[in-house]
Amino acid sequence: DGGITQSPKYLFRKEGQNVTLSCEQNLNHDAMYWYRQDPGQGLRLIYYSQIVNDFQKGDIAEGYSVSREKKESFPLTVTSAQKNPTAFYLCASSMWAQETQYFGPGTRLLVL
Amino acid sequence: AQSVTQLGSHVSVSEGALVLLRCNYSSSVPPYLFWYVQYPNQGLQLLLKYTSAATLVKGINGFEAEFKKSETSFHLTKPSAHMSDAAEYFCAVSPDDKIIFGKGTRLHILP
Repeated sequence: DGGITQSPKYLFRKEGQNVTLSCEQNLNHDAMYWYRQDPGQGLRLIYYSQIVNDFQKGDIAEGYSVSREKKESFPLTVTSAQKNPTAFYLCASSMWAQETQYFGPGTRLLVL
Repeated sequence: AQSVTQLGSHVSVSEGALVLLRCNYSSSVPPYLFWYVQYPNQGLQLLLKYTSAATLVKGINGFEAEFKKSETSFHLTKPSAHMSDAAEYFCAVSPDDKIIFGKGTRLHILP
C-alpha cells in the first residue's frame, strides 16, 4: 500500500527542546517537501529536496533543519530557535518538481 | 514573484446549489495549476490538475475547473453541492521547481 506516513500524529515540545518530525514515503518519489500550516495562512514551504543528499530552504526555513540521507525519508527538526512552533506540519512528495504532490496525514506540534 | 489569490476565505452554499470557488494566479510562464481539498486534521488530496492539455479539467467527486489564460484564472466548480463537500480548498500554481499555494477557501454546505 503506497503512500506517505508522518509520525507522530501529535507532538509536544518543551521550552528549549529540539523535536524531530518523521516523514517516510514508499512511492519512489525523488522530491519531498515540508510545509507549515497555520489557520488562515495556507501552506508555507519550510524546506524541499529534489534529490538525495540535497535540499533547499523554502520561505520560512529559520528555526528548522532537515536531512535527506535516503530517498524514502525526509525528517524535519524543529529547533529551539523556532520561537513559535505551534502549527500543523505537512510532508509531501512528488515524482519531480511541478508534478502532483502527495501529502501525508500531518503532525500537530504543540508547546507545553 | 509568483502568487495565487483565492477570493473569499469562506464560501457558503446550499446543498444542491452550484459551487464556485475562485482562483487567480500570476505567472510569467505557462504554469501547472492544481486544486487540492483538505478535510479537518488531514493532509491535502488532489482534486484536479491542469498541464496545458485541455482548458476544461475534470476532477474527482464531480468537480471541474476551467483555465482562462486571458483572465489568469482557474476557478473550481461543481454543479450540485453535497454535504460531504464541506472542506477547505486550495488552489496552487507551479511555475518552476516549487508549488505555491493560495490561502485556502473553506466551503460550508447549508442544509
